[in-house]
Amino acid sequence: GENVEQHPSTLSVQEGDSAVIKCTYSDSASNYFPWYKQELGKRPQLIIDIRSNVGEKKDQRIAVTLNKTAKHFSLHITETQPEDSAVYFCAARTDSWGKLQFGAGTQVVVTP
Amino acid sequence: EAQVTQNPRYLITVTGKKLTVTCSQNMNHEYMSWYRQDPGLGLRQIYYSMNVEVTDKGDVPEGYKVSRKEKRNFPLILESPSPNQTSLYFCASRGTSDTQYFGPGTRLTVL
Repeated sequence: GENVEQHPSTLSVQEGDSAVIKCTYSDSASNYFPWYKQELGKRPQLIIDIRSNVGEKKDQRIAVTLNKTAKHFSLHITETQPEDSAVYFCAARTDSWGKLQFGAGTQVVVTP
Repeated sequence: EAQVTQNPRYLITVTGKKLTVTCSQNMNHEYMSWYRQDPGLGLRQIYYSMNVEVTDKGDVPEGYKVSRKEKRNFPLILESPSPNQTSLYFCASRGTSDTQYFGPGTRLTVL
């Protein structure tokens, strides 16, 4: 089955700097890659996703890139703010009704 | 308001005492699933259901049961809870779009 690895496990950045989280997946049939943000004590919420027919997608200060050949995808957060502090999870899915396989998560801390 | 709800939100119980965590969604979603979240392990799927009366095992099904008698409800049953089932549990649902919606979570402690 699908295996998703996520790095780093913790990331500390200065406010205003950029943050990058990287994930690799094992199943070349995976075609959907969402990113979830989980604030302390809250539920995971979708922040951005990308399909395998697209190499990059951007939404304001966040962007996701996908390299199908290398089987990895990354989340980029620019101009980080304290409210970006959270745990971020990447995930991968092979088909419309397949399960989401999650990475282990990255704790992002943005220091003022 | 479109939402996924879970009850209870917090539960402390003892080994062997059967419990049920309820999950309900009001979005007419076909797909529902249960996850457990443990530090350093991310979200691991316990069971999922693609529609009424259709359920299947996820990655960590041992010690859990589910049922899907109605489209909106997907309860998680622990027949004989053990301390290694102490965890944070999330129910989730998805319709025909890609977006998966999570419930607020249930923090379970088994003593």
